[in-house]
Amino acid sequence: EVQLVESGGGLVQPGGSLSLSCVASGFTFNKYWMSWVRQAPGKGLEWVANIKQDGSEKYYVESVKGRFTISRDNAKNVLYLQMNSLRAEDTAVYYCVTYGVVVAGSDYWGRGALAIVSS
Amino acid sequence: DIQMTQSPSTLSASVGDTIIITCRASQSINSWLAWYQQKPGKAPKLLIYKASSLASGVPSRFSGSGSGTEFTLTISSLQPDDFATYYCQQYNTYSLFTFGPGTKVDIK
Repeated sequence: EVQLVESGGGLVQPGGSLSLSCVASGFTFNKYWMSWVRQAPGKGLEWVANIKQDGSEKYYVESVKGRFTISRDNAKNVLYLQMNSLRAEDTAVYYCVTYGVVVAGSDYWGRGALAIVSS
Repeated sequence: DIQMTQSPSTLSASVGDTIIITCRASQSINSWLAWYQQKPGKAPKLLIYKASSLASGVPSRFSGSGSGTEFTLTISSLQPDDFATYYCQQYNTYSLFTFGPGTKVDIK
């Protein structure tokens, strides 16, 4: 059974940093692209970042470029999102998402980790 | 950047109705479109991938169609469990995935 478990969310002041982790199990982690998707309270879904199987390609939504970094540790089956220079508008539930494990789509989602940026 | 729009933003329907949600891309995405269902407090669930392929375990009353820039999600014979918010997503390239703004389906 595929499982994605996010952690690391919490309350941080504007300008601060937060690091999210996602432990993956139930599939061969190093064979698949991975994503982070976020959802602000009461709002829609927003794709945040993608990372290739070996970490050699990384892509970000414009609003987080230069502030967020996606990475992965294939030996530990863990996906990361380092978030720096946080703003109030980064407040959201952050989902760890697989791409293409079963089908050509974002097919497995974690339960999400809530990051709140507030003073 | 590819922009996605959805219509309507809200749809009121009754059990047994057939509903159609439309999603449009600002440029061609071939068939790289997915549909997701989300219920309050839950993670989204993949329903349709590659515009018209049904994900595993998804009831056959859900169907998708379209290519290029215009796509539809049809739910036939709406069931009580189907009242939720639906999102389309383009994934034409790994460098940019984009979601539509969502369509909330509620009970009339």
